Amino acid sequence: GESVGLHLPTLSVQEGDNSIINCAYSNSASDYFIWYKQESGKGPQFIIDIRSNMDKRQGQRVTVLLNKTVKHLSLQIAATQPGDSAVYFCAETEAGGYQKVTFGTGTKLQVIP
Amino acid sequence: DTGVSQNPRHKITKRGQNVTFRCDPISEHNRLYWYRQTLGQGPEFLTYFQNEAQLEKSRLLSDRFSAERPKGSFSTLEIQRTEQGDSAMYLCASSPRQSGANVLTFGAGSRLTVL
Repeated sequence: GESVGLHLPTLSVQEGDNSIINCAYSNSASDYFIWYKQESGKGPQFIIDIRSNMDKRQGQRVTVLLNKTVKHLSLQIAATQPGDSAVYFCAETEAGGYQKVTFGTGTKLQVIP
Repeated sequence: DTGVSQNPRHKITKRGQNVTFRCDPISEHNRLYWYRQTLGQGPEFLTYFQNEAQLEKSRLLSDRFSAERPKGSFSTLEIQRTEQGDSAMYLCASSPRQSGANVLTFGAGSRLTVL
């Protein structure tokens, strides 16, 4: 299928190494931050979220770090596997209302076997 | 329920023709969203429904675009008099009304190519 990764920043990682994907956001009113993974030909898939009153949250092999001072978000993937190859998007949403989710620019992760 | 379903998956049309996309959300989700994604970009918000009510429309949604969600179940997105700039992936997502993060479940998308 057609790749959604063209013209995107690309991170190449050796299989088994850890990956760190970064994201900057601009809306100080955002209440939740969410990471999505998008594989070629598919819609984005939820990975993990973090609330603005937290600075770290861990999932299975993934950790999200939030630095509100510099408006920076990162996704760490431990022991990166070939199946992790995809485009990763950070997204933000405000509390209240209908919580529109706004997506940032993606990063393409290439895992080298 | 196997998730969010979108049809057709691919549509090729000539400029000036009308096209319609359908989205079937997860049945218990009352929130439904349409996004547009072009190559190399993140999804851009188009419109939002809560049940059958269309509560928000992006400035990206010109008057050639119309979306409906009759009875608060499936939704359709129609583009009239298509232009080459409409070529994109149209993504539908749904979510339940709940506290916490608004976690969207996306369909696989409908890819539109306007010749």
